[in-house]
Amino acid sequence: GQNIDQPTEMTATEGAIVQINCTYQTSGFNGLFWYQQHAGEAPTFLSYNVLDGLEEKGRFSSFLSRSKGYSYLLLKELQMKDSASYLCAVRDPDQAGTALIFGKGTTLSVSS
Amino acid sequence: GAVVSQHPSRVICKSGTSVKIECRSLDFQATTMFWYRQFPKQSLMLMATSNEGSKATYEQGVEKDKFLINHASLTLSTLTVTSAHPEDSSFYICSASLLAGVDEQFFGPGTRLTVL
Repeated sequence: GQNIDQPTEMTATEGAIVQINCTYQTSGFNGLFWYQQHAGEAPTFLSYNVLDGLEEKGRFSSFLSRSKGYSYLLLKELQMKDSASYLCAVRDPDQAGTALIFGKGTTLSVSS
Repeated sequence: GAVVSQHPSRVICKSGTSVKIECRSLDFQATTMFWYRQFPKQSLMLMATSNEGSKATYEQGVEKDKFLINHASLTLSTLTVTSAHPEDSSFYICSASLLAGVDEQFFGPGTRLTVL
């Protein structure tokens, strides 16, 4: 079956670094995405990994290990506005079209 | 980046009525659009995949006669919730891909449906 796991909640302080882990078991794999979602809003794209390794984009980095079915999102120099839900999603080519399978999301709370 | 719009952003309706939600790709042609539903504190759940000019593909457990999807053009897909009930109250989000297999899906801002 399809399964994507990530922690439900995390807390951190401004200026800190936080790592949000995601593990997945899917029948197929064609890329892993991280999205940020503020309450009541649609998800916004953060990163995409299809090959093993680290992708860095400003304060955000994402890592993928396909053999381990594992990814993490690393947020540096945390700001209050980073308080949001972070969704890990896998594109499974065995699913219809290029639809994404989402995890339940990790709610990150950043305090001062 | 590519922009996807949804209309309306919020809708409140009475039980038994039908509601239509529009999803438009504003500056690109989307061969495929996806409809998701998200209940409070839950993940996005794919409802259906919509391809222009063909019938939508529904996920298991999603009633195709209740959730009517029409993808009439490369820039517009509509989701109609027929005979809505309170349990249909949810956040409905569409997304669009430029081409099959491209890296990124672009999400619309979502539609909050409340059925009284």
